[in-house]
Amino acid sequence: DGGITQSPKYLFRKEGQNVTLSCEQNLNHDAMYWYRQDPGQGLRLIYYSQIVNDFQKGDIAEGYSVSREKKESFPLTVTSAQKNPTAFYLCASSKNRGRGSYEQYFGPGTRLTVT
Amino acid sequence: ELKVEQNPLFLSMQEGKNYTIYCNYSTTSDRLYWYRQDPGKSLESLFVLLSNGAVKQEGRLMASLDTKARLSTLHITAAVHDLSATYFCAVDMYSGGGADGLTFGKGTHLIIQP
Repeated sequence: DGGITQSPKYLFRKEGQNVTLSCEQNLNHDAMYWYRQDPGQGLRLIYYSQIVNDFQKGDIAEGYSVSREKKESFPLTVTSAQKNPTAFYLCASSKNRGRGSYEQYFGPGTRLTVT
Repeated sequence: ELKVEQNPLFLSMQEGKNYTIYCNYSTTSDRLYWYRQDPGKSLESLFVLLSNGAVKQEGRLMASLDTKARLSTLHITAAVHDLSATYFCAVDMYSGGGADGLTFGKGTHLIIQP
């Protein structure tokens, strides 16, 4: 079954700790994305990567870091510099070349709570 | 900066009624997506609209795109309770160099009552 997996589903951390969220896909997609969703809000783009070993900041990158060492994996680290880290984090992937849509497929999400 | 506005943000309607959700966006784009989100869940893709005049239908939902007006609509026909969810539109920020990510509206929280 092709798809996107995120782990863990729920994550609890103390303020001041860094935490890394996992995202893996087996759809053979070149592009991967991280979004953040706050209650009652739409999604906001944190980082995206169009190809291995390259990534760009989205609208709200401050306090976050990513890496893209493998095509299948795009982990997100929420650092202690992120002022309001509690949120629902969604990872997505899409193709990145050719004509047609770049429809994004979403993982199940990680709900992070920082106290 | 690309902005995407949905309205209404909240909609309560009765089963059997028809209604339309509107999605306006601020800059030229011919790629628009509709997603559904159930409470506590991830996003499920509903429609992909890739050109001016595109119309897609699935069951009681129909989506359309007018790129000149920068407007997409999601029409619900004879609503049923199972369609209760939050619906998001999203616009592709594709710049010609590859996929750049989506800009989402704030979502329309739809409740359908018997």
